[in-house]
Amino acid sequence: GENVEQHPSTLSVQEGDSAVIKCTYSDSASNYFPWYKQELGKRPQLIIDIRSNVGEKKDQRIAVTLNKTAKHFSLHITETQPEDSAVYFCAASLYEKLTFGTGTRLTIIP
Amino acid sequence: KAGVTQTPRYLIKTRGQQVTLSCSPISGHRSVSWYQQTPGQGLQFLFEYFSETQRNKGNFPGRFSGRQFSNSRSEMNVSTLELGDSALYLCASSRVLPTGDGKTQYFGPGTRLLVL
Repeated sequence: GENVEQHPSTLSVQEGDSAVIKCTYSDSASNYFPWYKQELGKRPQLIIDIRSNVGEKKDQRIAVTLNKTAKHFSLHITETQPEDSAVYFCAASLYEKLTFGTGTRLTIIP
Repeated sequence: KAGVTQTPRYLIKTRGQQVTLSCSPISGHRSVSWYQQTPGQGLQFLFEYFSETQRNKGNFPGRFSGRQFSNSRSEMNVSTLELGDSALYLCASSRVLPTGDGKTQYFGPGTRLLVL
């Protein structure tokens, strides 16, 4: 089955700097890669997703890149703000079964 | 449009009991997936239902089961509860368009189950 590895597990970034979270997946058939943000005690919220026919996608301060050959994808957050502090999960799927990474706890230092 | 809702939000049970959790998807969404979230194992896929049929299943024992009704609402059941079943149970719904797109899953707030 699919296996997703996510790094780093924790990340502290100065406010205004950029943050990068990386994930690798094992099943080359996976074709959908969402990123979720989960604040303490809340539900995971989709922040951006990318499909395998696209190499990069951007939404304001958030961007995701996908390298199908290497089977890895990354989340980039620029100009970080205190409200970006949360746990971020990457995931990979072929059908409706999402396989999640282990999460990255991002802390923005004011 | 209302989001995914789950009931109950909190539940305390004892070992050996059974529990039923409910999930109402976003209007128009026909696929409902269930996930278990624990600090140790993270987010793990339980199963997915579409048009009242289980299409995908994760690696959980048979004590975990589910069903979906004609209005797309879904329930999951855990029988013979164990201490290790304590977790946040999340459901997510998606549209699933005929083109194969629409895979985006939107999560409910979860049901926090504590097994004593």
